[in-house]
Amino acid sequence: QVQLVQSGAEVKKPGASVKVSCKASGYTFGRFAIHWVRQAPGHRLEWMGWINAANGKVHYSQNFLGRVTITRDTSANTAYLDLSGLTSEDTAMYYCARMYTTGWRFDYWGQGTLVTVSS
Amino acid sequence: QSVLTQPPSVSGAPGQRVTIFCTGSSSNIGAGYEVNWYQQFPGTAPKLLMYDNNNRPSGVPNRFSGSKSGTSASLAITGLQAEDEADYYCQSFDGSLRDVIFGGGTKLAVL
Repeated sequence: QVQLVQSGAEVKKPGASVKVSCKASGYTFGRFAIHWVRQAPGHRLEWMGWINAANGKVHYSQNFLGRVTITRDTSANTAYLDLSGLTSEDTAMYYCARMYTTGWRFDYWGQGTLVTVSS
Repeated sequence: QSVLTQPPSVSGAPGQRVTIFCTGSSSNIGAGYEVNWYQQFPGTAPKLLMYDNNNRPSGVPNRFSGSKSGTSASLAITGLQAEDEADYYCQSFDGSLRDVIFGGGTKLAVL
């Protein structure tokens, strides 16, 4: 069965960077794009960007340009989210999600990784 | 960033019907991009509830239905049950931004 398993919770200081991983299993990794979505406590879902798992091409939300980097390791069936210049406003649950082959829908989600930014 | 607009909350009694609306613009829903809906329970990841406006993934009860017209979409839930109490998010794509966009979420309370 399809699974996306994310790395564990992180606590970071302001100004630091965080890297979250998303390991996929149960399907051919390169056939589906991986997106990253975050949700601050009590807030809406906020899309961050995505990566074409086959060729590594990325597209980022304007809201995170310059701070976010999404990569993947096809040998490990894993996608990564790197977010730099952390502030308290980056405290959120970060989700990876698989995009179905057609349309812009997310059919499987990771369990989420809580990133807390605190001095 | 372009977003989709949803009411913050809706409520209904068990057995009733509720509808959640999602309003977009000419660069997303109005441009023909499909609308998807997600259901999220506290402390859990969102789950795909409706895709391509009005299609239910396997396992989603037919009490849930979706529609789209012009620059808006809606999710209807009939025969409301206590287990339906959750947050619901609409999602689409914006052709001008080339970004995925979400609504602000609607909290459904079953009275």
